Amino acid sequence: GQNIDQPTEMTATEGAIVQINCTYQTSGFNGLFWYQQHAGEAPTFLSYNVLDGLEEKGRFSSFLSRSKGYSYLLLKELQMKDSASYLCAREAAGNKLTFGGGTRVLVKP
Amino acid sequence: GAGVSQSPSNKVTEKGKDVELRCDPISGHTALYWYRQSLGQGLEFLIYFQGNSAPDKSGLPSDRFSAERTGGSVSTLTIQRTQQEDSAVYLCASSLTSAFYDEQFFGPGTRLTVL
Repeated sequence: GQNIDQPTEMTATEGAIVQINCTYQTSGFNGLFWYQQHAGEAPTFLSYNVLDGLEEKGRFSSFLSRSKGYSYLLLKELQMKDSASYLCAREAAGNKLTFGGGTRVLVKP
Repeated sequence: GAGVSQSPSNKVTEKGKDVELRCDPISGHTALYWYRQSLGQGLEFLIYFQGNSAPDKSGLPSDRFSAERTGGSVSTLTIQRTQQEDSAVYLCASSLTSAFYDEQFFGPGTRLTVL
């Protein structure tokens, strides 16, 4: 993606916690989206951060530091169905999203 | 209500042919976006429509690509003289407005294969 970096792949065990980091270019930044995409399916919305701090939504939490150009998605109590790609997307003017390459998370029993 | 729909779901074409991909956004959504996703890659922005404003075409990779949105609803992405590098999944998304906090809802995509 355009100046958006996230790891390519991560592996974790069922019930564990995984943190997916994302760094992005700060100029013209509006907000940061996280989407989940299962293989062969459309991305679905997980979270949106515009202010610094942690947003918690059930087993998933997302953190943003605007000054550092850094975000992470935290997946807790991992389940097998969480195996998917997680896309970090930086939002600029006009709600135009620039996506990172995605992080493929593999959850093992 | 119904989500974003796209057709066809799969399209196989020969190099040099033109193709049209269709997107039906969620009813009432004023913003519509086209992205493409090559194998193992992230989503690449192509074009964006907001209401009656001129579209943002800044992501179109070449002049072989064009899109229109009729009546503020259905959109068609046209690729002329297709090339093998055009093979990808083309995703359409819509949002209620173009406000920065508005979630984009994605369609299932059209998988284009250029032989």
